[in-house]
Amino acid sequence: DGGITQSPKYLFRKEGQNVTLSCEQNLNHDAMYWYRQDPGQGLRLIYYSQIVNDFQKGDIAEGYSVSREKKESFPLTVTSAQKNPTAFYLCASSVLAGGVYEQYFGPGTRLTVT
Amino acid sequence: AQSVTQLDSQVPVFEEAPVELRCNYSSSVSVYLFWYVQYPNQGLQLLLKYLSGSTLVESINGFEAEFNKSQTSFHLRKPSVHISDTAEYFCAVSAEGTYKYIFGTGTRLKVLA
Repeated sequence: DGGITQSPKYLFRKEGQNVTLSCEQNLNHDAMYWYRQDPGQGLRLIYYSQIVNDFQKGDIAEGYSVSREKKESFPLTVTSAQKNPTAFYLCASSVLAGGVYEQYFGPGTRLTVT
Repeated sequence: AQSVTQLDSQVPVFEEAPVELRCNYSSSVSVYLFWYVQYPNQGLQLLLKYLSGSTLVESINGFEAEFNKSQTSFHLRKPSVHISDTAEYFCAVSAEGTYKYIFGTGTRLKVLA
């Protein structure tokens, strides 16, 4: 089955530690995205990548880092510089369909930092 | 730049009643419009999309949305809701030719028995 996998589903960390969230897709999509979701705020774009070895900052990139060494993988590192890292993180990928980049989402990772 | 406004954060409705979830957008360029649904602790699933052509678009589970350019709206409707429709619904826009989506803040639909 083609799709996007995110692991783990739940992640707990102590304040001051970096943590890496995994995102893998086997849809052969070129573009991948990371969003952060907080209650009442919708989805906010952290980083996106249009192609391997290239990525751009989204609206809230501070305190996060990414890499895109393979087409299938787009891991997100939440660093200790992120002031409020507890949130639900969603990974997505997109394909050009009918003139628009249609986004598909993974199941998400809920990160709790105490 | 684009923006999306979902006017209602929560909408309670009784089972089998009709529902409308409102979405307004602003953009200086042509946009594509989407509705996504999110069940608790899950990712988003595409419900329906407007790209061009007929302004009324439908999903396989009875939802429909109408693109109204003059009112810059893309409201989501269902004539008769089920308990299983309880979820959060997000409206999103994407400018033509771009990778980026702008999402609304979401509307939590709660269907009551």
